[in-house]
Amino acid sequence: DAGITQSPRHKVTETGTPVTLRCHQTENHRYMYWYRQDPGHGLRLIHYSYGVKDTDKGEVSDGYSVSRSKTEDFLLTLESATSSQTSVYFCAISESRLAGGNEQFFGPGTRLTVL
Amino acid sequence: TQLLEQSPQFLSIQEGENLTVYCNSSSVFSSLQWYRQEPGEGPVLLVTVVTGGEVKKLKRLTFQFGDARKDSSLHITAAQPGDTGLYLCAGVREKLTFGTGTRLTIIP
Repeated sequence: DAGITQSPRHKVTETGTPVTLRCHQTENHRYMYWYRQDPGHGLRLIHYSYGVKDTDKGEVSDGYSVSRSKTEDFLLTLESATSSQTSVYFCAISESRLAGGNEQFFGPGTRLTVL
Repeated sequence: TQLLEQSPQFLSIQEGENLTVYCNSSSVFSSLQWYRQEPGEGPVLLVTVVTGGEVKKLKRLTFQFGDARKDSSLHITAAQPGDTGLYLCAGVREKLTFGTGTRLTIIP
């Protein structure tokens, strides 16, 4: 199994509070991704990173920010959580660009509930 | 906008039966991946198909990429309870675009 951990694994928070989710990898992969998974929508890309301090938006980036100060860590922050951000969040990594046919490995997920 | 539609959304069949899951898009992808996801875990890659018309076999699972590289199918022969899970297709361009998923249940 690829060395990807996510913390916390479960979190319940209240509307309007800030929340930070952490993804940590031990594979030294260059690319890291944050997805959310909701019923009927599959997985949707929130943000991704192609190197330290290099990040870009995905298809559902509104209300989320990310930071990558080290190769191994990719943080996802909800500045002011809303109930629509209740979801399961997955981190993923890949060694190189996906268009080159490279495999993406997923972490175990974080279940976030915003009340 | 969901670019990849999977059908059926839910499928429950008896052990030993055959089944096919479809993944359709109006967009062309450089390759297409199939994942399986167990409850409480992240998706795990099963296969990547790259060439239009390509067929790959993984034991009892057969994956096909459409000639135009817009659609794909997953066929399972003699389904086993261990095949139960959520199956996701994902089209590859610069990033992955995931399908809506097919939740498969194999009844012993």
